[in-house]
Amino acid sequence: EAQVTQNPRYLITVTGKKLTVTCSQNMNHEYMSWYRQDPGLGLRQIYYSMNVEVTDKGDVPEGYKVSRKEKRNFPLILESPSPNQTSLYFCASSFGQGPFEGYEQYFGPGTRLTVT
Amino acid sequence: DAKTTQPTSMDCAEGRAANLPCNHSTISGNEYVYWYRQIHSQGPQYIIHGLKNNETNEMASLIITEDRKSSTLILPHATLRDTAVYYCIVRGYNQGGKLIFGQGTELSVKP
Repeated sequence: EAQVTQNPRYLITVTGKKLTVTCSQNMNHEYMSWYRQDPGLGLRQIYYSMNVEVTDKGDVPEGYKVSRKEKRNFPLILESPSPNQTSLYFCASSFGQGPFEGYEQYFGPGTRLTVT
Repeated sequence: DAKTTQPTSMDCAEGRAANLPCNHSTISGNEYVYWYRQIHSQGPQYIIHGLKNNETNEMASLIITEDRKSSTLILPHATLRDTAVYYCIVRGYNQGGKLIFGQGTELSVKP
């Protein structure tokens, strides 16, 4: 089954304790990205990756890091989480750009993060 | 990306067609119209997309006006499971993979 998986689904942590949210897709997609969703602000892109070893900032990258060492994985790293990073996080993937720009994006089930 | 305008909320009776409008009057020639939906706090789900012509798939139909300034998503026989927030998004060929989600339309399908 084609899918995007995220782990963990729920996480409560404390300020300053480094954490990683994993994202994996099994569709051989080139493009992957991370969004956060907050009430009243909608979904906002954090980082994206066009392919292996190619990453770039989205609209709200501060406080986050990503890596793309393998095509299927795109982990989101919070080096020193703060309470304003409490949010619902989604990973998404799709085929790349160019002639595939019409392809839909597949979203993971979400990770609800609380930083106290 | 072109800005989109959608009603904040709509109701629909179960079994009836749900028609969700979207205004995108500043859309440019190479921009597609995409529709996604999000069922309570789940990951957004792609529904359909189109450029000029009307499109239909197993989930919905997309009607785009001739001037492309507005579109309507049609769910032909709405069920309770179609209750969700529906997002109309406009994105162009060279504008990267980022989807800009507005506030969307909260559709409530009622028995």
